[in-house]
Amino acid sequence: DAGVTQSPTHLIKTRGQQVTLRCSPKSGHDTVSWYQQALGQGPQFIFQYYEEEERQRGNFPDRFSGHQFPNYSSELNVNALLLGDSALYLCASSFRTGGNTEAFFGQGTRLTVV
Amino acid sequence: SQQGEEDPQALSIQEGENATMNCSYKTSINNLQWYRQNSGRGLVHLILIRSNEREKHSGRLRVTLDTSKKSSSLLITASRAADTASYFCATGITGGFKTIFGAGTRLFVKA
Repeated sequence: DAGVTQSPTHLIKTRGQQVTLRCSPKSGHDTVSWYQQALGQGPQFIFQYYEEEERQRGNFPDRFSGHQFPNYSSELNVNALLLGDSALYLCASSFRTGGNTEAFFGQGTRLTVV
Repeated sequence: SQQGEEDPQALSIQEGENATMNCSYKTSINNLQWYRQNSGRGLVHLILIRSNEREKHSGRLRVTLDTSKKSSSLLITASRAADTASYFCATGITGGFKTIFGAGTRLFVKA
């Protein structure tokens, strides 16, 4: 049983560019949440997708957008990249209730903006 | 801003000793979870305690929750070098779907 998989593992982008990160949830999970983790900090909630819709959003600008597909996989898109967007981006999957149950995390995508 | 605040920020102990980490939070919660993270990679879920529970055990882990004080503690008994990692508390907010993480405690267990 594959866990949560994220791609790519590492990415280097230039300021102003756009990036797409991908996540496949654990088998049987239908909810995907995305987090940004700056170095030395805890993960910050970006948003959560359930039934192909954004269910809740954290304090992130509209440059951060996402999508969930019918097979429950998800993408995180970041436009007009800033140096401050450099971070580890984590995807977590869970079943139905999101914040009220155990979430399984992927290994993350390390994004560096230069 | 982050909901949970862990204390201490860093902890260094000898193998075999117990490690205690504390977490405080601000708002009403449905549950509180503890996660471990090795070397800045993915988080591993350790234990979930619901708001109506006061104590929970899992192997060498013991978690307590005091909702009146809005605080929780994680005790790792008989620590091992392999327990070296960052530990985060995370809260499931009442009426919401997101999980909010604290800044973490960095535990270093010396062999």
